[in-house]
Amino acid sequence: EDQVTQSPEALRLQEGESSSLNCSYTVSGLRGLFWYRQDPGKGPEFLFTLYSAGEEKEKERLKATLTKKESFLHITAPKPEDSATYLCAVQASDDYKLSFGAGTTVTVRA
Amino acid sequence: NAGVTQTPKFQVLKTGQSMTLQCAQDMNHEYMSWYRQDPGMGLRLIHYSVGAGITDQGEVPNGYNVSRSTTEDFPLRLLSAAPSQTSVYFCASSSPRYTDTQYFGPGTRLTVL
Repeated sequence: EDQVTQSPEALRLQEGESSSLNCSYTVSGLRGLFWYRQDPGKGPEFLFTLYSAGEEKEKERLKATLTKKESFLHITAPKPEDSATYLCAVQASDDYKLSFGAGTTVTVRA
Repeated sequence: NAGVTQTPKFQVLKTGQSMTLQCAQDMNHEYMSWYRQDPGMGLRLIHYSVGAGITDQGEVPNGYNVSRSTTEDFPLRLLSAAPSQTSVYFCASSSPRYTDTQYFGPGTRLTVL
């Protein structure tokens, strides 16, 4: 069974204080690892897909990296608008389904 | 494009009542799925469909039914609501060839008393 564990559960940052979120996973053959952003009262919004160890992707202040056992979402010099819950999900190579972690709630204070 | 739409946005039911949550997408996506989101547990897959006329169970299917008569619509039916079904429900869609871009609807917040 695919498993996804995200840490920490919550992260409070000062504006400009860079940090990283962790997503560790077990899956029977990884097809893709996905990062989503979710704002309160809204549906998840797609950020990145990573397919193989060593791959990196960036979008504004966010950078996602992937190893064989975990992924990191780095937030560089965050702003208050980066406050959200960040979700990680994995997809097995023989499946369409996504398995999600519980998420990390990030709060950035001005 | 409206993307993925869900109705209603909020719903309160009494135990034992039945209802249907609506989901529609206008992107001609073949793959559609229903998730529920509970505090501390992340998104859990209820049912999914890889095309019209094809559905399958996810991780937590008990108490829910689905059907897929058209590419656009994927309704979720609660047969006899229970307090344990109080949750936020999300519908999502994607193209099977590009499942990395799974688009989510805005969600339905359901309370069962």
